[in-house]
Amino acid sequence: AQKVTQAQTEISVVEKEDVTLDCVYETRDTTYYLFWYKQPPSGELVFLIRRNSFDEQNEISGRYSWNFQKSTSSFNFTITASQVVDSAVYFCALRNSGYALNFGKGTSLLVTP
Amino acid sequence: DTGVSQNPRHKITKRGQNVTFRCDPISEHNRLYWYRQTLGQGPEFLTYFQNEAQLEKSRLLSDRFSAERPKGSFSTLEIQRTEQGDSAMYLCASSWTGAMNTEAFFGQGTRLTVV
Repeated sequence: AQKVTQAQTEISVVEKEDVTLDCVYETRDTTYYLFWYKQPPSGELVFLIRRNSFDEQNEISGRYSWNFQKSTSSFNFTITASQVVDSAVYFCALRNSGYALNFGKGTSLLVTP
Repeated sequence: DTGVSQNPRHKITKRGQNVTFRCDPISEHNRLYWYRQTLGQGPEFLTYFQNEAQLEKSRLLSDRFSAERPKGSFSTLEIQRTEQGDSAMYLCASSWTGAMNTEAFFGQGTRLTVV
């Protein structure tokens, strides 16, 4: 069985603060893929990053960084120096040998000026 | 091509009526997915096409739901005899055949309200 848990339902920060969104996953497969998507108020899910289970190297892209740790089954997402435009719902998702994405319930991030 | 397009963006229907949604994927993408998202939840997988073949269906897809993708281009999702529990955002996504880890690109969704 697959499961993605995003324990943080809502997070509120002030602009320029750093914020980390947690994601914990469960799977019995040895090959799997992890994703982060952003859903702004417009509703469209925007792809942010993909990571496969054999690549634990952390990644940084501008103000975004991701920490993948198989030992703790976690794939956390950090936004550095947050901005108001970062306000959105962020989803972590897992896919194994099939093609369906298994999403967490999402974390709603509010960045205030 | 500007991405995955879904129509209509909003649909209000009376319980018991049939509704049909359309999805136009990114033109070179041969895989197409339908998801359903209710308030406060993450999207849930409904079904998946590779070209015109429907290869996977979730148990969430009851007999009242049917999806097609004629000629492997656009797709339609029909819900017959709608129920209030069908009220949700219906999301379409597409991707390209290749490595298993190809990401899916999503449309803006069709929000269905059943009254």
